Amino acid sequence: DGGITQSPKYLFRKEGQNVTLSCEQNLNHDAMYWYRQDPGQGLRLIYYSQIVNDFQKGDIAEGYSVSREKKESFPLTVTSAQKNPTAFYLCASSPLAVNYNEQFFGPGTRLTVL
Amino acid sequence: AQSVTQLDSHVSVSEGTPVLLRCNYSSSYSPSLFWYVQHPNKGLQLLLKYTSAATLVKGINGFEAEFKKSETSFHLTKPSAHMSDAAEYFCVLKAAGNKLTFGGGTRVLVKP
Repeated sequence: DGGITQSPKYLFRKEGQNVTLSCEQNLNHDAMYWYRQDPGQGLRLIYYSQIVNDFQKGDIAEGYSVSREKKESFPLTVTSAQKNPTAFYLCASSPLAVNYNEQFFGPGTRLTVL
Repeated sequence: AQSVTQLDSHVSVSEGTPVLLRCNYSSSYSPSLFWYVQHPNKGLQLLLKYTSAATLVKGINGFEAEFKKSETSFHLTKPSAHMSDAAEYFCVLKAAGNKLTFGGGTRVLVKP
């Protein structure tokens, strides 16, 4: 089955630790995205990548880092510099065709800082 | 600048009655507009999309939305709510580029 997988589903972190969230897609999509969702708010873009070995900051990139070494994978690292990391993190992907508009979302990872 | 405003943060309906979720947008470009649904602790699923073709868009699970340029609105409706419609709904705007702008979400409660 084609789709986007995120792991783990739940993640607990102690303050001061870095953690890495996994996102894998087998849809052959060029573009991948990371969003953060807080209660009662819409999604906010953290980072996105349109091609392997290239990525751009979104609206709230501070305290996060990403890599795009393979087309299928776009891991997100939440660093200790992120002051309030507890949130629901969603990964998405899309083709880059000019007339293609929608993004496909993974099931999400809920990160809790203890 | 572009923005999306969902006018109701919560909507409560009885099963079998109509559902209306309101969305207004602001964009300097011709927009593409989407409605996504999110069930608790799940990812987002596309309900329907408007991409400058027909202004009345039909989606999955009996939902539809009407694009009104003069009112800068894209309201989502369903004639008869089902218990499985209880979820959070997001109105989403795509203008230039591939970046999406999300509304704040509307949480729908369906009463038996």
